[in-house]
Formats: sequence, structure tokens, C-alpha cells
Amino acid sequence: DVKVTQSSRYLVKRTGEKVFLECVQDMDHENMFWYRQDPGLGLRLIYFSYDVKMKEKGDIPEGYSVSREKKERFSLILESASTNQTSMYLCASSSRTSEQYFGPGTRLTVT
Amino acid sequence: AQTVTQSQPEMSVQEAETVTLSCTYDTSESDYYLFWYKQPPSRQMILVIRQEAYKQQNATENRFSVNFQKAAKSFSLKISDSQLGDAAMYFCAYRSPQGGSEKLVFGKGMKLTVNP
Repeated sequence: DVKVTQSSRYLVKRTGEKVFLECVQDMDHENMFWYRQDPGLGLRLIYFSYDVKMKEKGDIPEGYSVSREKKERFSLILESASTNQTSMYLCASSSRTSEQYFGPGTRLTVT
Repeated sequence: AQTVTQSQPEMSVQEAETVTLSCTYDTSESDYYLFWYKQPPSRQMILVIRQEAYKQQNATENRFSVNFQKAAKSFSLKISDSQLGDAAMYFCAYRSPQGGSEKLVFGKGMKLTVNP
């Protein structure tokens, strides 16, 4: 079974802090994705990566950056967390032909 | 750009009954993939069913089936013999064909309640 893990289920950070969210997949997938999920807005793509060290902006990249130094790991970075970044963050991975497999999510609260 | 619309934010169904979740999409592509994902409360998002646009036959997975109407750009999910474990958020999603972007475009989701 494909496994996508995220470093934390719940995270509380203060405004202005630098926040790292880590995602690891074990299926040698080329693609990895970061979404945020908010009630009534569905899932919105922040960034995705289709290969090591490659990244592309999604629909809402402002305030975020990403890093993919190894194929199995994709990190989301909030350089200076703000309260409007309080949300559920979902990581996903896929091969070129498969559906996306999701991690359990990280519920981030910025106070 | 492609868009996916789930017009009903919430639905409820009685246990053992059948319910249909609607989804429409907009695209100029002729080949693509459509998905239904399920997100139970506080649990992981999982794939329910997948449909390739070039296939005329509607996909089926046990109690879950789709009604894919390509001309109408409609992709509804039918859940038969509803169970309490079917209670979840359901998301419809679109993906461009292989060789294009593997990004998914999601609808806003629909909350399904199953009443005992």
C-alpha cells in the first residue's frame, strides 16, 4: 500500500514564526503536492513538484515556499506565519499515471 | 482553465438507501480523468472511484458507481445501500490526460450524512 506521511497531525505556531511541514512518500512517486483545505473552499493547490529539485506554483503560492531535495520528501515552508494561514494542510503524491494518494493532514493553527 | 462544480454542499441519506452526488465540470479537452474522493471525519482522503473520459462504460466499485455523461460534462456518484461508514466529505476532481499536468482540480466538496 502507498503510504504518505506528514510530520505532524496538529501544530500551533505564533505569528511571524518560520514553519516547516514535512511530507514523505514511500512509493517512488515522481509527483508531490501541497494543498490547503478550508471549509467551503475545498482543496486549493499551493505548490507541486514533478521531480527532485523541480517545483511549480499552484493556485495560491503566496506566503509559501517548498523544497524537494530527495524524491520521497516534499517540504512546505511558511517563511513568516500569519493568522490567515491557519488551515488544514494536505500532502499528496502520484506517479505519472496514478491517482493522487493523500497524507493524513496537518492542522496548523497560527496565533 | 478547467473548473469543477459540486452544487450541493450537504446531503443526507437513510441507512440502506441510495444517494446520488452531483458533479459538473468544464473543459475544452477531449481526454481526461475524473475522480471521486472521500474524506471521513478526521481521517485520510481516499479514492472512491476513477473514470477515464475515453471509456464509455461507467466505472463501478462495489456499492459505488458513476453516471458519466461526457457531452453534458456531468459526473455523478451513486452510493447504493448506504452505510454509516459512508458519512464523509466527498470531492469530485478532474485531471488532464497523461503527458499534461498531473494536477487535480477539485470541487468544493459535499458533506454526506447517513442517518441510522
